[in-house]
Amino acid sequence: GAVVSQHPSRVICKSGTSVKIECRSLDFQATTMFWYRQFPKKSLMLMATSNEGSKATYEQGVEKDKFLINHASLTLSTLTVTSAHPEDSSFYICSAGTGPEQYFGPGTRLTVT
Amino acid sequence: AQKITQTQPGMFVQEKEAVTLDCTYDTSDPSYGLFWYKQPSSGEMIFLIYQGSYDQQNATEGRYSLNFQKARKSANLVISASQLGDSAMYFCAMREGYMIKAAGNKLTFGGGTRVLVKP
Repeated sequence: GAVVSQHPSRVICKSGTSVKIECRSLDFQATTMFWYRQFPKKSLMLMATSNEGSKATYEQGVEKDKFLINHASLTLSTLTVTSAHPEDSSFYICSAGTGPEQYFGPGTRLTVT
Repeated sequence: AQKITQTQPGMFVQEKEAVTLDCTYDTSDPSYGLFWYKQPSSGEMIFLIYQGSYDQQNATEGRYSLNFQKARKSANLVISASQLGDSAMYFCAMREGYMIKAAGNKLTFGGGTRVLVKP
C-alpha cells in the first residue's frame, strides 16, 4: 500500500519556540493532505486540509496563525506550530491518499516544556 | 453533517474467537466511503478495510470483514480468529464522496473502541 512518512517522530521543545513537522507521500502524489491532532485516549480531530499550491482550509476553532500549513509540492506538506505552549503538546498525524483509501503517517509526538 | 458513532468504548475478546465492533453513521450524501483503522499503542494508524456506499458486496481483507447494512447505516467490523496482536484501538471513519474524486474530502472519525485480546 501507499506510504506516508512523518518527521520527526518525537520532538520536545521549549515554550515560545516553533516546531515544524513534515509529512511526505513516498510513492504517490497527493494534491490534498490532512492534519489531525489526537489527545490521549481520544479520537482523531481534523485540524486542517492542506491543498497543494493554495491556502490550507482550517477547521472551526483551529488558529491558522498558530498552526501554519504549507503544501509546496505534491509530496510534501508541513505543519509549523508557532510560539508553542504546553497545551499544544499532543500527537499530530497527517494523512493522504489518491483514491478511495486514506493512508496515515506514523505520527509526531510533540511535548512542549 | 457527518457523524460516526462507536458505542463500545472497550471490550475483551478471547484469543481465537471472533469479535464484532459496532459502527453507525449518518450522512445525507448518497456517495460515501467507510473505513476502519487500527491504532496500536505505537500510535500509527493502520488501514484495515474500506467499503464504498455503492459496493454491492461486503468488503473483506483477510481476517477482517465489514458487515455493511446500508439501510441501517451501520458498518460493523468483524475480526475473525482474534490474535494477541489485535489488541489496539479501532476507529471507524467516513468520507463523503466516491472513489478517486473523494481523495480531497476529509475523514470523520468515531470515538474508537479499545480491544484487548486475552490469551
